[in-house]
Amino acid sequence: NAGVTQTPKFRVLKTGQSMTLLCAQDMNHEYMYWYRQDPGMGLRLIHYSVGEGTTAKGEVPDGYNVSRLKKQNFLLGLESAAPSQTSVYFCASSYPITGSNEAFFGQGTRLTVV
Amino acid sequence: DAKTTQPPSMDCAEGRAANLPCNHSTISGNEYVYWYRQIHSQGPQYIIHGLKNNETNEMASLIITEDRKSSTLILPHATLRDTAVYYCIVRVHEGGGSNYKLTFGKGTLLTVNP
Repeated sequence: NAGVTQTPKFRVLKTGQSMTLLCAQDMNHEYMYWYRQDPGMGLRLIHYSVGEGTTAKGEVPDGYNVSRLKKQNFLLGLESAAPSQTSVYFCASSYPITGSNEAFFGQGTRLTVV
Repeated sequence: DAKTTQPPSMDCAEGRAANLPCNHSTISGNEYVYWYRQIHSQGPQYIIHGLKNNETNEMASLIITEDRKSSTLILPHATLRDTAVYYCIVRVHEGGGSNYKLTFGKGTLLTVNP
């Protein structure tokens, strides 16, 4: 069981470039999330999805788009990268069992925008 | 959304119990308390969760006060590998249906000293 896998692990972008971060989970989880974490800060929710074909905005959605075309994948897109988007990005997934919402996290993608 | 308050940092001697407090005075009756930790540079890891009763698993114990306005995570015999940021999270319920998401604060940096 691979759990939650994020691709790529590291990336350097120039301002204005675009890229897509891929999150894949093999646990048949309904919910998936994208967070960003800046140095010395907690995690902030960017977007999330409660099922295939559905997405919703989190705390800090501006500058990002997401898609959940397949249940196992959750893509995070940056259309025109800015230095303020330099961060570590974490993907997570969970299954909505009543009374429990344990989330499993990937190992992160370290993105630098220069 | 119920918010949580945690001390920014704590120290603990190796082998001793680590008691991490969390205040969540605005918690609603059907909201759970979750604890996660994040070891440096890694994705967060689920530890434990509870609603009203005290809970214990192989990693930790969770003590929730009778009025549910605060809780304490207990690591019974802290080791150096328990040095991490610990997040206390109240699970929010947005909208109708099952839109669960986790909102992270800044957490408590626990440093276990030799």
